[in-house]
Amino acid sequence: DTEVTQTPKHLVMGMTNKKSLKCEQHMGHRAMYWYKQKAKKPPELMFVYSYEKLSINESVPSRFSPECPNSSLLNLHLHALQPEDSALYLCASSQERGGGNTIYFGEGSWLTVV
Amino acid sequence: GEDVEQSLFLSVREGDSSVINCTYTDSSSTYLYWYKQEPGAGLQLLTYIFSNMDMKQDQRLTVLLNKKDKHLSLRIADTQTGDSAIYFCAAESNDYKLSFGAGTTVTVRA
Repeated sequence: DTEVTQTPKHLVMGMTNKKSLKCEQHMGHRAMYWYKQKAKKPPELMFVYSYEKLSINESVPSRFSPECPNSSLLNLHLHALQPEDSALYLCASSQERGGGNTIYFGEGSWLTVV
Repeated sequence: GEDVEQSLFLSVREGDSSVINCTYTDSSSTYLYWYKQEPGAGLQLLTYIFSNMDMKQDQRLTVLLNKKDKHLSLRIADTQTGDSAIYFCAAESNDYKLSFGAGTTVTVRA
């Protein structure tokens, strides 16, 4: 089973709202990722967690706040977003970071900020 | 950082072979990947190749790697309508980050 599950699949939120995206994997992977993908563009790395600790933050604005409550779960808390933050947000996981450990992606959460 | 480049579009007739090309700049990239993304979906890993290999075959997929030229290709044999998608090449650099190409949109025509 190489499944990464993301909820919700679609989210519409206002610029003053607070919402969260959730991601879950039960493959025993110790690295988890958030990527942002705009239409017709490649995914852009946002955050990497390794063994439940934040190891990479790609200079993401603070209105995006990641959280890794345990080794199976990864959340992305959203607050005071802008319309340009509308995108597909992809969660991914791998056994470990790098070294050819394949990154498996979820189906994504489509976010629209109005 | 690593730059990964791909041609943007490929149109192929059903039953023919498709070849998608990719070039990368970081000669120390150890793993190179091909992902497929269908409309409205996430990325699906198709295959990957380690940099000490020249070729890898997996059913209808063949990956060729020319490490000297930093050129990677994906061949899909007997292309089907279900192969219509965007294909991303990705290279893993020394800092373990994946750099993606812009994606090649493959359209399969009957």
